[in-house]
Amino acid sequence: DAGVTQSPTHLIKTRGQQVTLRCSPKSGHDTVSWYQQALGQGPQFIFQYYEEEERQRGNFPDRFSGHQFPNYSSELNVNALLLGDSALYLCASTVKGDSRGGYTFGSGTRLTVV
Amino acid sequence: GDSVTQMEGPVTLSEEAFLTINCTYTATGYPSLFWYVQYPGEGLQLLLKATKADDKGSNKGFEATYRKETTSFHLEKGSVQVSDSAVYFCALHNTNAGKSTFGDGTTLTVKP
Repeated sequence: DAGVTQSPTHLIKTRGQQVTLRCSPKSGHDTVSWYQQALGQGPQFIFQYYEEEERQRGNFPDRFSGHQFPNYSSELNVNALLLGDSALYLCASTVKGDSRGGYTFGSGTRLTVV
Repeated sequence: GDSVTQMEGPVTLSEEAFLTINCTYTATGYPSLFWYVQYPGEGLQLLLKATKADDKGSNKGFEATYRKETTSFHLEKGSVQVSDSAVYFCALHNTNAGKSTFGDGTTLTVKP
């Protein structure tokens, strides 16, 4: 049973560029949340998608956007990259209505902005 | 808003020692509480959970009890192993907000 898969695993981008990160949720899960984890810190909530719509959003600027596809997979897009966007980006999936059960996380995408 | 405060690390123990990692939280309503573990180069793995006051979550010898009166969810293990070396995150999930709030993590190193 595949868990949450994310791609790519590592990425290096230049300031001002745009990046797209991808996530496939665990089989049977339909809700995807994205988190940003800076070095030495806990994950910070970016947004949540289910039924192909953004349902909740954390305190991140509009440069961060996302999408969910009919097969429940999701993309995170970041425009106009800043050095401070360098972090581990984690995708987490759950079953809608079962948020008390906890997330299944992917291994993350390590983004470095130079 | 919601917040989670974890005992600062790093924590270094000898094998078979007793482990406690303190966690306190601030939240509105009745959140679910979690401990996640992160091994180097990996994402977070759910270790244990508790969904209401006085619930005890347990897994792989680790335990934590949801204490509403002290807003705490301390992680304990009676005898740690070298393989328990990792970063441990305490988290709460706010169902209304649809998101989890994490502590900053506690790095545990267990020496043989």
